[in-house]
Amino acid sequence: GQQVMQIPQYQHVQEGEDFTTYCNSSTTLSNIQWYKQRPGGHPVFLIQLVKSGEVKKQKRLTFQFGEAKKNSSLHITATQTTDVGTYFCAGRSDYKLSFGAGTTVTVRA
Amino acid sequence: EAQVTQNPRYLITVTGKKLTVTCSQNMNHEYMSWYRQDPGLGLRQIYYSMNVEVTDKGDVPEGYKVSRKEKRNFPLILESPSPNQTSLYFCASSSTSVAGAYNEQFFGPGTRLTVL
Repeated sequence: GQQVMQIPQYQHVQEGEDFTTYCNSSTTLSNIQWYKQRPGGHPVFLIQLVKSGEVKKQKRLTFQFGEAKKNSSLHITATQTTDVGTYFCAGRSDYKLSFGAGTTVTVRA
Repeated sequence: EAQVTQNPRYLITVTGKKLTVTCSQNMNHEYMSWYRQDPGLGLRQIYYSMNVEVTDKGDVPEGYKVSRKEKRNFPLILESPSPNQTSLYFCASSSTSVAGAYNEQFFGPGTRLTVL
């Protein structure tokens, strides 16, 4: 079945530094979504990418969907303490949405 | 306020005692889904429903049942809970676009279940 792999599992970042989390699917996706879950909270939608090669930005966050629609990345610049949490990608194929295991981000002030 | 509600938020039970976790959304969404979240495994889909009376298995359906008799409600039933079903459970809903694609999912606050 469809599998979505996400790396790294943990990311320890110095405040002000950049980092990237990557998402890879075993199958071609119709779209991919990204969510953020703060500690003790529930996942909150960040963005959806649909087109091959699509790039979207939200302030310091840059999301990219691969040309083959099998991979995606989230790049955060100038990390802040408010970026702490777990970031999940979720790839859709047909009616099923498969989540990656998430990247848990901690920030050193 | 647009939201997804789940009850109970916390539950400790014993093996074999049937339980139901309720989920309700007030956004008139067609699509609803249940996930379980375990450390290192992310969110795994248990069941989903594309509309009233239409449900289908996700990746980890064993030991669970669902029903969708009304658009707003999507209860998760554990007929005979076992310790390996101890987990954090999330209900989610989303609307569909004109093209039939599914939009962002709104998640409930979660239900932390412990089966002894």
